[in-house]
Order: sequence, then structure tokens, then C-alpha cells
Amino acid sequence: NAGVTQTPKFQVLKTGQSMTLQCAQDMNHNSMYWYRQDPGMGLRLIYYSASEGTTDKGEVPNGYNVSRLNKREFSLRLESAAPSQTSVYFCASSEGLGGTQYFGPGTRLLVL
Amino acid sequence: AQSVTQLDSQVPVFEEAPVELRCNYSSSVSVYLFWYVQYPNQGLQLLLKYLSGSTLVKGINGFEAEFNKSQTSFHLRKPSVHISDTAEYFCAVYNAGNMLTFGGGTRLMVKP
Repeated sequence: NAGVTQTPKFQVLKTGQSMTLQCAQDMNHNSMYWYRQDPGMGLRLIYYSASEGTTDKGEVPNGYNVSRLNKREFSLRLESAAPSQTSVYFCASSEGLGGTQYFGPGTRLLVL
Repeated sequence: AQSVTQLDSQVPVFEEAPVELRCNYSSSVSVYLFWYVQYPNQGLQLLLKYLSGSTLVKGINGFEAEFNKSQTSFHLRKPSVHISDTAEYFCAVYNAGNMLTFGGGTRLMVKP
């Protein structure tokens, strides 16, 4: 089992460019999440999907959109990147809300 | 709303010494509590969790934590640390009305 996979591992963008971060899980989990990690702030939830077909805003959704493509895949899109979105992005999944979350290896994003 | 405070941003300790990483939370309802560990350039992985029952919870790698409801704390302990325990540790809280909320993290630095 690969668990949770994320692509790309690292990306550099210019201000205003767009990109999509991909996430997939092979554990048949219902719930998936996108977080950003910034120094000293822990992880902050951007969006989550409680189950296939649903998505909801987390703590810091502004500037992002998500798509739950199917049960396995949950993508995060930056429509117009800003330097404030420079961060490490983690995808996670769990059997249900409140369950143990399993994390991917992360995507380092630098916006110039 | 709930919040999580990890009182120490960094904890230096010598190898084979005991360590305690402190975590306090605020929530008006029953919670689930988690400790996650993040090794350099990796995603988070679960160390241990408290859902209900015994307040002393044992996890992987010799770590344990004690849930103290009256003090709203969930401190992490290990009686003897190894160099390989050098990592960042995150406390997290979940309740049904909110999503998983992470503390700011504590960087454990084990010195030889």
C-alpha cells in the first residue's frame, strides 16, 4: 500500500500563476483533508471532504478551491498564487471525521 | 471553538534523559486527543491517541501520554530518549463540532 501520495513534491510559481496539487489515497477512506504548514503555526485546515461528493471550508480557505474527484482523489487548486501561499501543503485521509488521519509526504510551494 | 497550546516551541535534551512535551487544550465538550510526530522532510504520523477509557495512553516508540480532564492537558512523556527521537511533535484535538485542531508544534532536539 502506498498510503497517501502527493504530487508534485516541490513547485516554484510566480505571483498570479495557477496550479493544482494532487492527492490520492489507497486505503478506501471516506474523508480527506488539505492542510498548510507554516513555521510556529502547526497545521491549519484549508478544506476537507467528509465523504465522496462533499467538500467544506476549513480554517483558511481563501485563495484555494478543491475537487473531490472520486473516493481516492482530492485536489487543491490555487487560481492566482500569492507570496502568502508559500508553504508546505499536506494532504491527509481518514476512515471518517474524527478518525486517525494519515498524511502524505507534503508539497513544498514557493511563490515568488 | 477549540484551541491547542503547546507550551514549548523547542525542547533540548540529552540522550537517555527523560522528556515531557506539554499540551493544553480548550474545549467545552468531550474531545479526542492525538499526538503526531513529524521527522524532517516527512509527513505526520500518529504516535498515540486518546478516545475514551484509561487516561494513560501508550503509543509507538516508547511514548506515553496522560489525559487530565480537570487540567485540560495531554502531556507526552518518554522515560529515556534516543537520538532518533529528534523530530517535531504536534498535539491535536478533535470534537464533533469542529475539525482536528493542531498545536503549534514542539521541536525535540536530542543531543549525544
